[in-house]
Amino acid sequence: SAVISQKPSRDICQRGTSLTIQCQVDSQVTMMFWYRQQPGQSLTLIATANQGSEATYESGFVIDKFPISRPNLTFSTLTVSNMSPEDSSIYLCSVSPGGDEQFFGPGTRLTVL
Amino acid sequence: QQQVKQSPQSLIVQKGGIPIINCAYENTAFDYFPWYQQFPGKGPALLIAIRPDVSEKKEGRFTISFNKSAKQFSLHIMDSQPGDSATYFCAASRGADGLTFGKGTHLIIQP
Repeated sequence: SAVISQKPSRDICQRGTSLTIQCQVDSQVTMMFWYRQQPGQSLTLIATANQGSEATYESGFVIDKFPISRPNLTFSTLTVSNMSPEDSSIYLCSVSPGGDEQFFGPGTRLTVL
Repeated sequence: QQQVKQSPQSLIVQKGGIPIINCAYENTAFDYFPWYQQFPGKGPALLIAIRPDVSEKKEGRFTISFNKSAKQFSLHIMDSQPGDSATYFCAASRGADGLTFGKGTHLIIQP
């Protein structure tokens, strides 16, 4: 497995602002993913972030709203831009150290007022 | 992403009983089927996973049964304990792609 940390663990933000969420892994990993979990709901894949290439976004998610950086094999950021109350969710990063297994970070709980 | 259907939405079982959670998928390209356990305020934790070339896998008290022809798989928890009370998610993926999750099952094990 891998030890994954996320910052911040939670935040309360005002409508129209942006928040950048950090994901740090304790080992080098090729595949990193970002998911959203709306309150009481399941997880939905936002994008796949691979080092050295542009992130690949799933249907319904766009780069202008959720820009992602992947500067190296242990770190990634997800920005939630121009936030609205509908963006209130838990944002989770996951990593795949090798093979198909994915391990999740603790999540960032975002509330937008 | 195609849907993974999970049932039941919630489940209450007495301690020592065997809760069973079922999932069905549509995309025959899926080749990896994990189960995750999530406690409130925590990220999902990988419990057990299976590939379609086997029909059953056991790890401790957790067992996955897989029916490739029916495109269904299920999680069984043996000798369930109150500490197993959590939300369980099934998921599926193709290769190293991102995961498609079921809607989750809120499980309560009563003492």
